[in-house]
Amino acid sequence: EVQLVESGGGLVQPGGSLRLSCAASGFAFSGYWMHWVRQVPGKGLVWVSRVGNDGVATAYADSVEGRFTISRDSAKNTAYLQMNSLRVEDTAVYYCARSSSWGDFDYWGQGTLVTVSS
Amino acid sequence: EIVLTQSPGTLSLSPGERATLSCRASQSVIRTSLAWYQQKPGQAPRLLIHGASSRATGIPDRFSGSGSGTDFTLTISRLEPEDFAVYFCQQYGTSPITFGQGTRLEIK
Repeated sequence: EVQLVESGGGLVQPGGSLRLSCAASGFAFSGYWMHWVRQVPGKGLVWVSRVGNDGVATAYADSVEGRFTISRDSAKNTAYLQMNSLRVEDTAVYYCARSSSWGDFDYWGQGTLVTVSS
Repeated sequence: EIVLTQSPGTLSLSPGERATLSCRASQSVIRTSLAWYQQKPGQAPRLLIHGASSRATGIPDRFSGSGSGTDFTLTISRLEPEDFAVYFCQQYGTSPITFGQGTRLEIK
């Protein structure tokens, strides 16, 4: 069974940092691209970042470029999102998702809440 | 970036009725790289349709997708109680990946 489990969310002050983790199981992790998507509760979905299966091909939404860094560790079957210089507007539930061979997101984690507040 | 506009914002229907949800793109979606997701309160989104019209694994055949270019439709032929949720469209053919703002399907 494919499972994605996020962790690392919490309360942080503006300007602070957090590292989110996405532990994957039930599939060949190294063969899939991975993404982070965020959602303000009650609002829509916003794509944040993605990392290719080689760990080199990365991309970011303009709103997080230069502040967030995505990475992966195939030995640990885990993807990461390092978030620096956090802003109040980064407050959201962060989901990791697996990209299928077609590019859609066929599996999602349960999400982890990040709250940026003083 | 490609902006996806979903309509209506809220759709009020009864179980057994047919639901038609629309997703319009600001520019053509390449290779029909359009997906639909269902999200229930407190849950992660679930993939329903990919490639505009292909059902994901385990999705009932009352769900169908159609369209190409800039206009796409998700149809639920006969609503079941568990279908009342929020639905999002997504284009994944052009970077950055974008989502529509969602359509809330509520019980009338």
